[in-house]
Amino acid sequence: NAGVTQTPKFRVLKTGQSMTLLCAQDMNHEYMYWYRQDPGMGLRLIHYSVGEGTTAKGEVPDGYNVSRLKKQNFLLGLESAAPSQTSVYFCASSYLDHSGGRGEQFFGPGTRLTVL
Amino acid sequence: GDSVTQMEGPVTLSEEAFLTINCTYTATGYPSLFWYVQYPGEGLQLLLKATKADDKGSNKGFEATYRKETTSFHLEKGSVQVSDSAVYFCALSDYGGSQGNLIFGKGTKLSVKP
Repeated sequence: NAGVTQTPKFRVLKTGQSMTLLCAQDMNHEYMYWYRQDPGMGLRLIHYSVGEGTTAKGEVPDGYNVSRLKKQNFLLGLESAAPSQTSVYFCASSYLDHSGGRGEQFFGPGTRLTVL
Repeated sequence: GDSVTQMEGPVTLSEEAFLTINCTYTATGYPSLFWYVQYPGEGLQLLLKATKADDKGSNKGFEATYRKETTSFHLEKGSVQVSDSAVYFCALSDYGGSQGNLIFGKGTKLSVKP
């Protein structure tokens, strides 16, 4: 099993450009998440999904859109990139556990994005 | 809202030293508490967790006890190794029981010198 994979690993954008980050998991997990990690800020939740076809806003959703068309994939889009979106982006997934809640989150290796 | 506060780093220790990383939380309900570890260039991995008061989570020699009276979940290890050098994140879930959305502390960088 590859676990959670992210594409690309690195990307440099110019202000105003658009791009899509892809997250894929092969563990058949119900839940998927996108976080951003900034120095001294910990991880902050951007958007998440509780199942195929569903998405919800997290703590810092502005400037981002997401889609979960297939259970195994969770896409994060930046329509018009801004320097404030320079960050490391992590995807995670978690399973539906025996009690009906969410199990442990498994993280991908991250995507380092720089917006000039 | 719910929040997590952990001690600022960086923390530098010699090999075999005792480690404590403090973590306190604010929550309206009864959260589950977690410690995650991030090794250089990698994503986060769950290190240990506790789901109710007085529970002790443990893994790889690390321990943390869920203290409801002091709203704390301090991470400890009796003898650190160079391989423990990483960033450690304390986190809570936004509802009790199983892990919901996570709220993270800002992270504490640990460097262990031989």
